[in-house]
This record gives sequence, structure tokens and C-alpha cells, in this order.
Amino acid sequence: DTEVTQTPKHLVMGMTNKKSLKCEQHMGHRAMYWYKQKAKKPPELMFVYSYEKLSINESVPSRFSPECPNSSLLNLHLHALQPEDSALYLCASSHSGALTGELFFGEGSRLTVL
Amino acid sequence: GESVGLHLPTLSVQEGDNSIINCAYSNSASDYFIWYKQESGKGPQFIIDIRSNMDKRQGQRVTVLLNKTVKHLSLQIAATQPGDSAVYFCAENILGSWGKLQFGAGTQVVVTP
Repeated sequence: DTEVTQTPKHLVMGMTNKKSLKCEQHMGHRAMYWYKQKAKKPPELMFVYSYEKLSINESVPSRFSPECPNSSLLNLHLHALQPEDSALYLCASSHSGALTGELFFGEGSRLTVL
Repeated sequence: GESVGLHLPTLSVQEGDNSIINCAYSNSASDYFIWYKQESGKGPQFIIDIRSNMDKRQGQRVTVLLNKTVKHLSLQIAATQPGDSAVYFCAENILGSWGKLQFGAGTQVVVTP
């Protein structure tokens, strides 16, 4: 079983909706990530938080808004999304350090935008 | 731009045989590599990693080989089992680019009885 928990597992939303994806880990990791994965494609990095501070934003559109309330939680707030934003959104965590090291992934939240 | 890629998008392997999954990388500044396994409907799962100061590392039924001369990475799975059916991704970390793990395109491994 994964130690990174993501909710909800599935989400369907309209282009005018506001929703949030949630991620939780209790491994004491201080780095947390959001990745986006389209079908039959590799995960693409969106955001990285290190010690609850946003350290990397891979030029993600502002309709995606990350939040790290504490060291165990990571949210991704969604607003005014487009159908092409439909994808599997993966959360991951890792020990912080000079190298990325092993990422522990959750099972993802599958998002469908209508 | 520089990227990590795979030679074979799909690999069919008979149960019990050894599997070899290849990955080419083009960024000579990459200093850390990871292989991930992703089963259908699940997130990527760590298999094994290797740092650039090594050329081989072994785990349980898996071996990763790194050839820096030709910028090539491979994952060998011994005695492939049905549970090994999945998509396998290589990923690289570029020295100095903390947090930016770049994934290759992936290889679908199908284990046949």
C-alpha cells in the first residue's frame, strides 16, 4: 500500500467549477510534489514544495493553485479548467536534500474536465 | 532540447525469461537515475536507483546498468513474472537541478504465459 494518500481518486468537474485535490503523507518527508500524467505519457512535474515553501513552479497556468498547509499535506486547487487539463494528477514526497532521491507516489487523482 | 528516451515502446516477454529495458539519456550533467514501475491505475513505484559514480547496481531480481560513455541506462529483470507487467520509466536528475526529476517516455512490458 502506498504511504502517500490522494483524494479523491476520481473527479469530474465543469469548466466553471472550483475543486481541490488533496494529498497526505506521514513519512516525515519535507519535499512534496505535484505531477500531471496524460494517458500513455510520462509524469510531468508541475510544482515542488520544500519545507512548506514553493520552490519550483514549472510554468503551470494560474488555474492550478498549489497549497502546502503543513509538512504532511499538499493541496491542488482547481478553477476554470479546460478539457485538456483532464489527466491523472500524482502527488509525491521525498526526503529533502541536494538530490531528488526516491519519490514516493500516491495512486493519483483522475480528473475529467467537461 | 535534451531528454530521456526509451528505445522500445513495448516489450513482450515470456514468463520465466529475463527482460531488458533500455533507456537513452542525452544530458551529460545527469548524476542520478531511477527506474519506476507503473501498473495500470496506480502511481509509479520505485524499483531501483543508481548514481553516476556507479556502473551497476543490483536489487531483488533487478539489475540496473549505467554506461556513461554512450549515455545508456538499462533495467534487467530476472525470471520475469506476470506481476512484472507494467509500464517502466527511467528518470534522471540533473546535477544542480534539485527536485526536477525528468521521466523518459516509458516502455510497456507484457509478460506472456
